[in-house]
Amino acid sequence: DAKTTQPNSMESNEEEPVHLPCNHSTISGTDYIHWYRQLPSQGPEYVIHGLTSNVNNRMASLAIAEDRKSSTLILHRATLRDAAVYYCILRPRSNDYKLSFGAGTTVTVRA
Amino acid sequence: NAGVTQTPKFQVLKTGQSMTLQCAQDMNHEYMSWYRQDPGMGLRLIHYSVGAGITDQGEVPNGYNVSRSTTEDFPLRLLSAAPSQTSVYFCAPTGEVQPQHFGDGTRLSIL
Repeated sequence: DAKTTQPNSMESNEEEPVHLPCNHSTISGTDYIHWYRQLPSQGPEYVIHGLTSNVNNRMASLAIAEDRKSSTLILHRATLRDAAVYYCILRPRSNDYKLSFGAGTTVTVRA
Repeated sequence: NAGVTQTPKFQVLKTGQSMTLQCAQDMNHEYMSWYRQDPGMGLRLIHYSVGAGITDQGEVPNGYNVSRSTTEDFPLRLLSAAPSQTSVYFCAPTGEVQPQHFGDGTRLSIL
């Protein structure tokens, strides 16, 4: 199974952008890149996903490298509510729903 | 988390006791899964189901049973509770291309 590598932690100031990197050098051509986040004492929640092109939604943007071996989740203006653990996950396009969650990146936002 | 209901939210068991964690969804998703999350760790897949009557093992299935008699419900049974099963348990229904929707979790302590 293709794996992802993320930094253990990142810090940001409120109102500033946050760029969360993820390396997935063994990604296959049909793997979708998914991002989830987990707020304290809650279940993970979906943030964004993409295949090849950059994606934007109300929560974040996802920038995918041209060779797809890495991606970056961008939180444009961090708020205190964005403090969470962020998981970068590869999900096969096939009917394989067995997601593999690593340790993720713990994001701290300073007021 | 709208659409996913996990009960109970908290439970304390004694070693050797059995119990069932309930998960119900109203999103009509075919696929459902159970994860456990130990303190400071990522999520690990216990069991999953791709539809009513079909279940399979995930990464850490030992000590747990599941069944899927309806699309809506996917209970997780602990056969003989052990302290190593102290964890937070998350149920996650998902559609074929949709992101997973996680419940709020069941916090289980085994003494």
